[in-house]
Amino acid sequence: EVQLVESGGGLVQPGRSLRLSCTVSGFTFGDYGMSWFRQAPGKGLEWVGFIKSKLYGGTTECAASVRGRFSISRDDFKSIAFLQLNSLKTEDTAVYYCTRGTYQFEYWGQGTLVTVSS
Amino acid sequence: QSALTQPASVSGSPGQSITISCTGTSSDVGSYNLVSWYQHHPGKAPTLMIYEDTQRPSRVSNRFSGSKSGNTASLTISGLQAEDEADYYCSSYALSYTLMFGGGTKLTVL
Repeated sequence: EVQLVESGGGLVQPGRSLRLSCTVSGFTFGDYGMSWFRQAPGKGLEWVGFIKSKLYGGTTECAASVRGRFSISRDDFKSIAFLQLNSLKTEDTAVYYCTRGTYQFEYWGQGTLVTVSS
Repeated sequence: QSALTQPASVSGSPGQSITISCTGTSSDVGSYNLVSWYQHHPGKAPTLMIYEDTQRPSRVSNRFSGSKSGNTASLTISGLQAEDEADYYCSSYALSYTLMFGGGTKLTVL
């Protein structure tokens, strides 16, 4: 059974950093790209970015709204995808979801809540 | 990057059919057969309903169908049921290997 579990969310002050993890099981992690989405309170889903598999260069791409502050990485040995959130702003408050794939997303985690507040 | 354009809301009565549109450009929706649709009930993980413009995962009801014409993709839900009430999002692979995502459509079953 494919499972994705996000962790690392919590309450953080503006300007600080946080690293989210997405631990997966049930498939060969290294064969797939991984993506992150978020949903702010009262807002729609927003694509945050993706990381391709090593087979496709392991390259990353992030949405313009977070580019330069957020970054995505992966550990294929531990089957974990990471989302590094730096210089956090109050508007980054959201539930963050990880999902398998880079342009088509069949499997999703349940999300982890990040609250940015002083 | 501009998001794909979806109506903010649509509604229909049980048993009726509704269609949600998703308008992009010739650099995304119009260039690739890679439009997907997602159903999202608040507080839950999103569900893939349609992929590659028209393909439906086996676990998804055949009441859901996808189509595309030019730069506009559409999701049609026939025989509306109360459980279909949710937010729906479209996405498309785009030029320069990025992803375009719609702003979402709230479906209300009257």
